[in-house]
Amino acid sequence: DVKVTQSSRYLVKRTGEKVFLECVQDMDHENMFWYRQDPGLGLRLIYFSYDVKMKEKGDIPEGYSVSREKKERFSLILESASTNQTSMYLCASSRTGNNDYGYTFGSGTRLTIV
Amino acid sequence: EDKVVQSPLSLVVHEGDTVTLNCSYEVTNFRSLLWYKQEKKAPTFLFMLTSSGIEKKSGRLSSILDKKELFSILNITATQTGDSAIYLCAWTGANSKLTFGKGITLSVRP
Repeated sequence: DVKVTQSSRYLVKRTGEKVFLECVQDMDHENMFWYRQDPGLGLRLIYFSYDVKMKEKGDIPEGYSVSREKKERFSLILESASTNQTSMYLCASSRTGNNDYGYTFGSGTRLTIV
Repeated sequence: EDKVVQSPLSLVVHEGDTVTLNCSYEVTNFRSLLWYKQEKKAPTFLFMLTSSGIEKKSGRLSSILDKKELFSILNITATQTGDSAIYLCAWTGANSKLTFGKGITLSVRP
């Protein structure tokens, strides 16, 4: 069974901390994505990556950075956490090209910044 | 500016009803439209539509894309309480980036 695994289900961090969210996929997918989900706003794309060491800004990259040193792992970094970054964070992966099975999501990390 | 609009934003029905969920889009370099169901955790894939007029079916769910009028519908027949969820519509372009609408919250009452 194909899988996208996010390292933490729930996380509480303090304002100003540097926060790392990890995502690992075992499907040899080229593309990986980080979204945040907030009530009434849907899923919004933060960053995505087409390949190792490649990254592209999504719609709301401010306050975040990413790292993709290996194909299977895509990390989201909150450089200095703030309370407005309290949210559900979802990682996804996909294969490049036509894909009848869409994108596979991880179970999400609910991050609270206090 | 690219946009995806889902309607209605929320819907309450009774078990056994049939529902139609709408997704309209105005995007450049459109490649495909996807539907997802989200309960408490991650979105789960339902359908991917790339060709106009070809219905895709899975049990009581079906979906179709109209590339001329730029919309898609998701139909659920004989609804059950387990269909209660957020239904998300998303599109992809040439760069494989997946962009979502805000979702439709469906509540099915016994």
